[in-house]
Amino acid sequence: RKEVEQDPGPFNVPEGATVAFNCTYSNSASQSFFWYRQDCRKEPKLLMSVYSSGNEDGRFTAQLNRASQYISLLIRDSKLSDSATYLCVVNKKGRRALTFGSGTRLQVQP
Amino acid sequence: GAVVSQHPSRVICKSGTSVKIECRSLDFQATTMFWYRQFPKQSLMLMATSNEGSKATYEQGVEKDKFLINHASLTLSTLTVTSAHPEDSSFYICSARDASGEQYFGPGTRLTVT
Repeated sequence: RKEVEQDPGPFNVPEGATVAFNCTYSNSASQSFFWYRQDCRKEPKLLMSVYSSGNEDGRFTAQLNRASQYISLLIRDSKLSDSATYLCVVNKKGRRALTFGSGTRLQVQP
Repeated sequence: GAVVSQHPSRVICKSGTSVKIECRSLDFQATTMFWYRQFPKQSLMLMATSNEGSKATYEQGVEKDKFLINHASLTLSTLTVTSAHPEDSSFYICSARDASGEQYFGPGTRLTVT
């Protein structure tokens, strides 16, 4: 079983739509959680950290459910520029490196 | 934000040759750098953790004699792919960790072995 699992997509949505991505992680010792965005042939860039209380950054909302080991990302009012692959990333306690999911591809269409 | 550079951004080499990739933290000191590899449509996989002044720590299944890592200074780590083969063709990405624990990724190096 992969440490971090994501639906690969692609999610094809029209501009203005709301889209949600889910992610599950297997290691209960995980302590830090992130969503990264990766454009084609580019390095991943941090989109936002994810906290148990939930957090919002503009059109983006992230949620963490530690009991279910589940992380979500909600994007409201999708823009064409949101088209990318969204990576669910976990950091295990005592380990400095990050563990990446394989990503969910989003394509926002005009 | 902090900047991490990688050089070269793209390299094509013949099977059997060695390729060196540099990762530099441009405006901060990084005691720890990480090397990842990403095959098409797959996730980034950690290859090794590079510690300044000491030996790198390799992940299970990564050959340390094939992927040589040197972290000679607080701003530079190098990855050398020795005797490269076509199956080594991949996107190699480094990241550098600053004093606060934040990680910054380099732009990646696309290696093609013919």
